[in-house]
Amino acid sequence: QKEVEQNSGPLSVPEGAIASLNCTYSDRGSQSFFWYRQYSGKSPELIMFIYSNGDKEDGRFTAQLNKASQYVSLLIRDSQPSDSATYLCAVNPNSGYSTLTFGKGTMLLVSP
Amino acid sequence: EAGVAQSPRYKIIEKRQSVAFWCNPISGHATLYWYQQILGQGPKLLIQFQNNGVVDDSQLPKDRFSAERLKGVDSTLKIQPAKLEDSAVYLCASSRSTHGNTEAFFGQGTRLTVV
Repeated sequence: QKEVEQNSGPLSVPEGAIASLNCTYSDRGSQSFFWYRQYSGKSPELIMFIYSNGDKEDGRFTAQLNKASQYVSLLIRDSQPSDSATYLCAVNPNSGYSTLTFGKGTMLLVSP
Repeated sequence: EAGVAQSPRYKIIEKRQSVAFWCNPISGHATLYWYQQILGQGPKLLIQFQNNGVVDDSQLPKDRFSAERLKGVDSTLKIQPAKLEDSAVYLCASSRSTHGNTEAFFGQGTRLTVV
């Protein structure tokens, strides 16, 4: 069973701080990685994807991928209370299809 | 571009009853997913279609769950008979390509309560 692991949290940070969310995956052949944000009672919303080792930046968000360590992270700079949500890591295993396996998510709480 | 449409938004049924959910993916999206999300957990894939063929239904409880995607567009997920543990949000998602490097977009989900 291909697994995606996340710390369930909650991760609490003050407004303006950097929030660091982490994810590990078991399938070494995984090719693509996605971060979704899910507000309480809402459906997941895609915020970042990354395919290559290294960093990818989009506004206040940076995704980091290290395939050798089977580790992907999401950094949120200048965290805002509106960033408070559950962040889901999703991985496309090397299955040949566009299957997505999700972690359980990390709850982020940003306090004013 | 319209998003993924799902109906109904909410459904309450008694155990052993049947229920059906409907999904209309984003126009032109080849891949359609049904996920089950139990409170406090991440989405779990139930079934994945590419066009109108099934590519993964390994986690679908086939004794009670069924799904179809007619003409490679709309899809229906059915549960018969429902159990208490089926209480969850059922999420439909779609992606443009059949390859891994494409993003999936979710509908608003159907919240099912089995009493």
